[in-house]
Amino acid sequence: GENVEQHPSTLSVQEGDSAVIKCTYSDSASNYFPWYKQELGKGPQLIIDIRSNVGEKKDQRIAVTLNKTAKHFSLHITETQPEDSAVYFCAASRTYGNTGKLIFGQGTTLQVKP
Amino acid sequence: DVKVTQSSRYLVKRTGEKVFLECVQDMDHENMFWYRQDPGLGLRLIYFSYDVKMKEKGDIPEGYSVSREKKERFSLILESASTNQTSMYLCASSSPGTFATNEKLFFGSGTQLSVL
Repeated sequence: GENVEQHPSTLSVQEGDSAVIKCTYSDSASNYFPWYKQELGKGPQLIIDIRSNVGEKKDQRIAVTLNKTAKHFSLHITETQPEDSAVYFCAASRTYGNTGKLIFGQGTTLQVKP
Repeated sequence: DVKVTQSSRYLVKRTGEKVFLECVQDMDHENMFWYRQDPGLGLRLIYFSYDVKMKEKGDIPEGYSVSREKKERFSLILESASTNQTSMYLCASSSPGTFATNEKLFFGSGTQLSVL
């Protein structure tokens, strides 16, 4: 079945450094790739998403890149801040009209040290 | 802001009990979802609903059922709770997007269920 692998499971960086989280997906028909951030005690929140017709998308300090050939997409956070500390989930979905299920990765716990 | 409210933050139940997890959203969203979150496994979809009285199985529906009698409320039912159902349960809602129904999910804060 469909599968999304996410790495690393934990990531520790110094404040101001960059952080990169990588995901691979198995279903070549996947065409929608969101990233969610889950802060302690809260539910996940969508922070950025990308569709298969776009190779890269940026929103301030976060960016997502997609390589459809390799079935690989990544989240890049630049100039990390302590408030970036959270669990990050990637997901992939094949969507047709009103159907499609999100398949989530295993999650990455990011710690940004002041 | 969209608000998705789950009735309990923590719940402790005994094996064999019938358990109800309630979820209410206030943004008139058509779609509602139940996920469970386990360390190292990410979020896995249990059930979802596109409309009142409609339900679809997700990836791990065994041992669960759902009810959606009103648009704003989606209940997850554990007919006979077992220890392997100890988990964090997350409810989410969304409105059909321009692309697909699973765009921009809004999640509740979760219910940590312990089955003893």
